[in-house]
Amino acid sequence: DAGVIQSPRHEVTEMGQEVTLRCKPISGHNSLFWYRQTMMRGLELLIYFNNNVPIDDSGMPEDRFSAKMPNASFSTLKIQPSEPRDSAVYFCASDSGSTGELFFGEGSRLTVL
Amino acid sequence: AQSVTQPDIHITVSEGASLELRCNYSYGATPYLFWYVQSPGQGLQLLLKYFSGDTLVQGIKGFEAEFKRSQSSFNLRKPSVHWSDAAEYFCAVSANTGTASKLTFGTGTRLQVTL
Repeated sequence: DAGVIQSPRHEVTEMGQEVTLRCKPISGHNSLFWYRQTMMRGLELLIYFNNNVPIDDSGMPEDRFSAKMPNASFSTLKIQPSEPRDSAVYFCASDSGSTGELFFGEGSRLTVL
Repeated sequence: AQSVTQPDIHITVSEGASLELRCNYSYGATPYLFWYVQSPGQGLQLLLKYFSGDTLVQGIKGFEAEFKRSQSSFNLRKPSVHWSDAAEYFCAVSANTGTASKLTFGTGTRLQVTL
C-alpha cells in the first residue's frame, strides 16, 4: 500500500515567495495532520482535519500560513509570503480513526533564503 | 493541556547493550501513550502504543515499554541494541478528542550506537 505522499521533498526559495506543500493521505484515512519540525521547537502540530474539515488550527503560526483539504485525497499547506524563520521540515500525517497511530510522510524540507 | 518530557537529549550505547529511554507525561485523564522512531531524512514510524490493559506493551523491532501511572512514566526499553537502532525516538501523548487523535510529542532522544 502507498503511504502518505508529500511533495516536494525539498524546496529552496527566497524570502517573500509563495510556497505550497502538498500531501496525499493514505486512502481511507479520515484525519490529516500537518506538523512542523525544527531543531529549536521540535515537532509542532500546525493544523488537523477530520473528514476534510479543519478541526484545530491553533498551531498555525500566523496569517501567512493557510491549509486546505478540498477532498479526502489531497491537502495543501501554503505560506505566503515566506520568511527565513519558516525554514523547517513539514510533515503530513494521516490516521484511520481514533487509534492514535499516525502514518507520516517523508516530509518536505523547506529552506527560505 | 497534555505534555511530554524526554529528559535525555542524546544517549550513546554499545551494540549489544541494553537500552532504556525515559519519558514522563502530564495529562489529566488516562493517557494514550506512544513511542515513535525517526531515522535520518525520514518521517516518524510507530514503535508501540499503550491505550489500556497490560502495562507492559510490546512493539516492533524488539522494543517494549512499561506504563507506570504512579510515576507518570512510559519508558522505552530494548534488551540488546543493534547498530540499525541508531535514530531519534519520540514519546507522545494523545488527547483523544473524539474526532481525531491529537498527539503531543516530546523533544526526542537521539540514540547513537557504537560498534
